[in-house]
Amino acid sequence: DGGITQSPKYLFRKEGQNVTLSCEQNLNHDAMYWYRQDPGQGLRLIYYSQIVNDFQKGDIAEGYSVSREKKESFPLTVTSAQKNPTAFYLCASTPGRGEQFFGPGTRLTVL
Amino acid sequence: GDSVTQMEGPVTLSEEAFLTINCTYTATGYPSLFWYVQYPGEGLQLLLKATKADDKGSNKGFEATYRKETTSFHLEKGSVQVSDSAVYFCALTNTNAGKSTFGDGTTLTVKP
Repeated sequence: DGGITQSPKYLFRKEGQNVTLSCEQNLNHDAMYWYRQDPGQGLRLIYYSQIVNDFQKGDIAEGYSVSREKKESFPLTVTSAQKNPTAFYLCASTPGRGEQFFGPGTRLTVL
Repeated sequence: GDSVTQMEGPVTLSEEAFLTINCTYTATGYPSLFWYVQYPGEGLQLLLKATKADDKGSNKGFEATYRKETTSFHLEKGSVQVSDSAVYFCALTNTNAGKSTFGDGTTLTVKP
């Protein structure tokens, strides 16, 4: 089945640690996105990539980093510079002007 | 820039009630419009879409019509069920690159 997978489903981070969230898609989509969702809130765009080896900052990129070395993969690193990282993180992809396809999400909690 | 405004929630209805969630947008050109649904602890799923003016999207009893004259895309369902309880997001895509603009979401709770 084609789709988007995110791992892990739950992630715990200690203060000062960097953590990496995985996002993989087998839909052959060019564009991929990372969003942050806080409780009761909408989606905020962190980073997006329209093509391999290229990515752009979204609205809340500070404290996050990404890479896009392969079309299928778009990992997100939450660095220690992100002071309030506890949130639900969603990855999505799209073939173009159509709908976005979302993964199941990763819930990150800072201990 | 583009923007999407949704009716504020939460919305609480009894089973079999009529549902309307308002959505209006601001965009240049001719965006595609979408409604997504999110169940607790999950990612968003596409519910329905419309790509041009006067198109009606429909799925699982939900409908929305692309109204360019009023820049609206209101979500409706004639008879809601408990299983429709979720968060609903209105969104638009206005570029070939696929970058979308989302509303803030509306939480729907349906009571038996």
